[in-house]
Amino acid sequence: QVQLVQSGAEVKKPGASVKLSCKASGYTFTSYYVHWVRQAPGQGLVWMGVINPSGGDTRYAQNFQGRVTVTGDTSTSTVYMELISLRSEDTAIYFCARAEDSPQAFDYWGQGTLVTVSS
Amino acid sequence: QSALTQPASVSGSPGQSITISCTGSSSDVGSYNLVSWYQQHPGKAPKLMIYEVTKRPSGVSNRFSGSKSGNTASLTISGLQAEDEADYYCFSYAGSSSYVFGAGTEVAVL
Repeated sequence: QVQLVQSGAEVKKPGASVKLSCKASGYTFTSYYVHWVRQAPGQGLVWMGVINPSGGDTRYAQNFQGRVTVTGDTSTSTVYMELISLRSEDTAIYFCARAEDSPQAFDYWGQGTLVTVSS
Repeated sequence: QSALTQPASVSGSPGQSITISCTGSSSDVGSYNLVSWYQQHPGKAPKLMIYEVTKRPSGVSNRFSGSKSGNTASLTISGLQAEDEADYYCFSYAGSSSYVFGAGTEVAVL
């Protein structure tokens, strides 16, 4: 069965970086895009970026340009999302989700990873 | 890219129908039939309810339907049930390989 399993919770200090993982299984890894979405406590969903694991092309939301990097490892069917220069407002649950090229609709989601940024 | 506009909350009695709007612009909702809708219960990951404006994934109740007119997409829930109480988010392609979510709508079943 399709699964996206994310890495565990992180606690970071302001200014630090965090790198989260999302391991895919149950489908052909290179046939689906993987997106990252975050949700601050009590807030809505925010799209961060996407990678096409077949080739590694990435796109990022303007609000995260320069701070976020998404990479993929086809040998382990894992996608990574690194966010640098963390600030308290980055405290959120981070989800990965897969989507076909068309349509780009998220049919499977990871369980989410809580990142807490606090001094 | 600003979030798509959704009402903060919508409520209805069991058995009633409710509609959630999602207003964007000619750069996103108005230009592409790539609007999807997600249901999120507290503490859970979102669930795909509608894609490509009107299509329902296998396993999603036919009480959920989607539509679009101009720059506004809509999700209608008919025969409202207690289990429909959740947050709902629209999501749209916004061109140049970018995407945007709606601000979210809390649905209450009275």
